[in-house]
This record gives sequence, structure tokens and C-alpha cells, in this order.
Amino acid sequence: KAGVTQTPRYLIKTRGQQVTLSCSPISGHRSVSWYQQTPGQGLQFLFEYFSETQRNKGNFPGRFSGRQFSNSRSEMNVSTLELGDSALYLCASSLYQGGPYEQYFGPGTRLTVT
Amino acid sequence: EDKVVQSPLSLVVHEGDTVTLNCSYEVTNFRSLLWYKQEKKAPTFLFMLTSSGIEKKSGRLSSILDKKELFSILNITATQTGDSAVYLCAAQDDYGGSQGNLIFGKGTKLSVKP
Repeated sequence: KAGVTQTPRYLIKTRGQQVTLSCSPISGHRSVSWYQQTPGQGLQFLFEYFSETQRNKGNFPGRFSGRQFSNSRSEMNVSTLELGDSALYLCASSLYQGGPYEQYFGPGTRLTVT
Repeated sequence: EDKVVQSPLSLVVHEGDTVTLNCSYEVTNFRSLLWYKQEKKAPTFLFMLTSSGIEKKSGRLSSILDKKELFSILNITATQTGDSAVYLCAAQDDYGGSQGNLIFGKGTKLSVKP
């Protein structure tokens, strides 16, 4: 079974631009969560989607948004990029929402904002 | 606020040593505890623990959960240089909220020297 895939793997953007990242969960998985990982803050939760609905949202500004499609694929968007948005963005999928379900991570998208 | 605390934050050992990594948690709607290994990429799933006192084992790695004392340990025996990584512990919350479904600790950085 194929794992979680994320595209693109690397991105370089300039301040003020916007970016869209994509995540395809493991086949059959319906829940997708997004995390931002930085050396100083570790893994921080962005949002979780299940059945095309945002179920939980982390403490990030409104510039960060996401959505989930009927095939469970998910996208996240960051508008008006800031230097501090440079990070590894990870998505994780699980069978259902809540627990106890194993969550598997994708390879991540490394975003650099200059 | 729910939290997960890992100790030690970093550890240096020599090949062949046995190590024990600790994870304590305070999560209101606890469902399970997960361990991940992260090298220079996305976290790789190791174990999910839901029941107290039942050891999960995979090769040289093993883990156990104590739901009364709210902690888990990850043991690695006969360490190898390939075990060098950051080990992340995450407690799964049934309802999520602003911290999301998985609440991560800061990780333990393990360095295994030849």
C-alpha cells in the first residue's frame, strides 16, 4: 500500500507570496492532519480534516488555511508569506478521526521563505 | 492544557549500549500513545500503545505504557549507529481541539557513537 505523499517536496518563495501544499493520504484513510515543524518549536498542529470538514484547528493565524476533497486528499494554503513561515510542513493520515488510530506521516514539504 | 514531556532531551551512547527513553503525559481525553523515529525527514511510526502493561516489541525496540502513572518508555537494546535519530512521543486525544489529535513531546535526540 502506498504511503502518504506530499507535493511539492521543496519550495522557495519570497515574502508576501502565497503557497499551496498538497497531501494524498494512504488509500482508505479519511483523516488528514497538518503540522508545522521548526527547530525551535518542534511539531505544531495546524489543522485536521475528516470527511471534508475541518475538525480541529491549531493556534495559527488566518493566513493558514486548508481543505479536504471528497477523495480525502488535502491541501493547505499559506497567504502573505512571512520569513517565520519557513519550516517543514508535514501531513499525517489515519483511518478515522480521534483515536486510537495510527497516524502515518508523509515525507513533508520543506518551505523556505526569503 | 494537555502536555507531553520527554526525557532526556538528548543522549549520547556507544554502540551496543541499551537505552531507555521516557515519556510522561497529561491528556484529558487520552486514547493512546504513539512513538515515532525521526531522522532528517518525516517521522516514522514505531508503536501505538493503548493498554497498560502490555509490551510491544519490534526487533531491538520495545515499549510499554503505564496508564496509572501516565508514562511510557521506549527501550532500545544493542544500539547501532543507525538508531541515531530524534524519538518523538505523542499522546492521542480523543477530541483534539486546538492542540490537535496528537500532542507531541519535544523529542529525545539519541546519538549512537561507534
